[in-house]
Amino acid sequence: EVQLVQSGAEVKKPGESLKISCKGSGYSFTSYWIGWVRQMPGKGLEWMGIIYPGDSDTRYSPSFQGQVTISADRSISTAYLQWSSLKASDTAMYYCARREVGTVDFDYWGQGTLVTVSS
Amino acid sequence: NFMLTQPHSVSESPGKTVTISCTRSSGSIASNYVQWYQQRPGSAPTTVIYEDNQRPSGVPDRFSGSIDSSSNSASLTISGLKTEDEADYYCQSYDSSNQVVFGGGTKLTVL
Repeated sequence: EVQLVQSGAEVKKPGESLKISCKGSGYSFTSYWIGWVRQMPGKGLEWMGIIYPGDSDTRYSPSFQGQVTISADRSISTAYLQWSSLKASDTAMYYCARREVGTVDFDYWGQGTLVTVSS
Repeated sequence: NFMLTQPHSVSESPGKTVTISCTRSSGSIASNYVQWYQQRPGSAPTTVIYEDNQRPSGVPDRFSGSIDSSSNSASLTISGLKTEDEADYYCQSYDSSNQVVFGGGTKLTVL
């Protein structure tokens, strides 16, 4: 069974760093892209970026370039999204989702990680 | 770059048919495939249509997708509405740099 399991909810203060994870199982992790999507409270889906764990090819949305870092560890089938200095405006649900090479849709999604940034 | 514009909300009665539009602001809607995702409250999105009009296995044939070059838009049509269809629906496509573009989402109310 294909699964993307994300790390648990986080509560952080402004200025703190954070790394959340997305662990894939039930498929060949290095053969699918993993994308990250932000959903602010009560708002729509926003594209952040994507990584191909097979060769670590990473592409960022211009809106998020320089604001976050996307990475992956093939040895443990896990992708990451990290911040070096959180802001209150980073408060949101973050989803990871996989996309097969050569296809266009994201067919499996993680359950989401809620990040709350508050002083 | 371009935007995908969706109506903020639509509502219809059970058993009826509803259509949600997704209009591309520039460039041809036919240039890149359009996908549709359903997001129920408290859940992650799931694909209901990919490649303009393809249904993943497990998605009922009450869901259908199309594109219309004359209006430069894509549409998601749900027939025989059920209360379980009540959700937010997002269209998604790609730009020339292969970046993902999401529509703003449409809240479907089945009343």
